[in-house]
Amino acid sequence: AQSVTQLDSQVPVFEEAPVELRCNYSSSVSVYLFWYVQYPNQGLQLLLKYLSGSTLVKGINGFEAEFNKSQTSFHLRKPSVHISDTAEYFCAVSVGPGQKLVFGQGTRLTINP
Amino acid sequence: GAVVSQHPSRVICKSGTSVKIECRSLDFQATTMFWYRQFPKQSLMLMATSNEGSKATYEQGVEKDKFLINHASLTLSTLTVTSAHPEDSSFYICSAREWGANEKLLFGSGTQLSVL
Repeated sequence: AQSVTQLDSQVPVFEEAPVELRCNYSSSVSVYLFWYVQYPNQGLQLLLKYLSGSTLVKGINGFEAEFNKSQTSFHLRKPSVHISDTAEYFCAVSVGPGQKLVFGQGTRLTINP
Repeated sequence: GAVVSQHPSRVICKSGTSVKIECRSLDFQATTMFWYRQFPKQSLMLMATSNEGSKATYEQGVEKDKFLINHASLTLSTLTVTSAHPEDSSFYICSAREWGANEKLLFGSGTQLSVL
């Protein structure tokens, strides 16, 4: 079975500051990794995903994440955040394309002016 | 483009009644859909996997007689919460698998269920 741990439940940062949201996973098989964003009272929107290839993945809205197999991590980063980035962020894994996702607990990113 | 449409977005019902939530794939066919449940400030928990033309596969601990799933066509899956109680109040989200060169899971906008 797979599991995902998001180490920070809440991350407050100032506008234009960099941010890193941490994600670690556990799995006995190879996995695909995802980051989703959820705005209040909305569904999930895919930010980026890692399936194979380059370990540095670039997504929408200026976000990127790096897959580190030895540390079983997939941390999400953005060099300069905006007020509009305030949302809940979920890291997730699956064992195959289009397979069910196992989600982490979520990290609430709050951007302060 | 391909979109997952979920309705209603919000529903309030009395305890003991049943509520149906629809999940439609627009501009693509979805042989597989997933139903998730999210409690306030918590993560999404998979409830069941819905396969077109066959019985849904439920996750451990999810009552199949309470959460009825029907996937009768390639574009529609429904979740019916039967005899709803206040503890069933939650945010329900569906997702559908879009096959293709860039296969991915698309999510609906969710349904906030409040049982009084």
